[in-house]
Amino acid sequence: QVQLQQSGPGLLKPSQTLSLSCAISGDSVSTNSAAWNWIRLSPSRGLEWLGRTYYRSEWFNDYAESVQGRISINPDTAKNQFSLHLHGVTPDDTAVYFCARGFGVVDVWGQGTAVIVSS
Amino acid sequence: DIVMTQSPRSLPVTPGEPASISCRSSQSLLHNNGYNYLNWYLQKPGQSPQLLIFLGSNRASGVPDRFSGSGSGTDFTLKISRVEAGDVGIYYCMQGLQTPTFGGGTKVEI
Repeated sequence: QVQLQQSGPGLLKPSQTLSLSCAISGDSVSTNSAAWNWIRLSPSRGLEWLGRTYYRSEWFNDYAESVQGRISINPDTAKNQFSLHLHGVTPDDTAVYFCARGFGVVDVWGQGTAVIVSS
Repeated sequence: DIVMTQSPRSLPVTPGEPASISCRSSQSLLHNNGYNYLNWYLQKPGQSPQLLIFLGSNRASGVPDRFSGSGSGTDFTLKISRVEAGDVGIYYCMQGLQTPTFGGGTKVEI
């Protein structure tokens, strides 16, 4: 059974960097048959996919246009996890952040991390 | 990006009665492999979203057969044959043909 366990701070000030990690059990971040995603939920935007990393003989990343330029998603094969870094946060980035597995079908979700951006 | 439009936004239901949610996409979700890349999720209060239906009409593991998905191309429907109290929450459709996008959600309440 695949499980995703999220960790990271939930309170940030504007202009700081949001950093979250997602530890994988029951699967491998290096698998050729899945992708590893970050998705957020907010009252203003609903569910919004932010980006993904995946391995197909080499590593690939895709990012949403809405956060392009200030996001990075990185795999950590040694720890079998992946991370989200969102730079220059504003109050508009306040949301619940989820990590999730899937490419085409997102089938496993982490528990969610509530992130508040406030001065 | 593919835009996903759900209706209704709010759906009052009666236990034992059927319910239906519609999802439309701005582009066809039919892949040349024959699958429609449309998935349905339920987010119960205080929980993460859970997969109900994948690739248009396939129930995820453990999902009761009261739930069914149908449609092809740009028009899709999620049906609950007999609503139970535990079905309350927010239902989302999601397309996975391109980088994922979600519908705005349908809040189902008794």
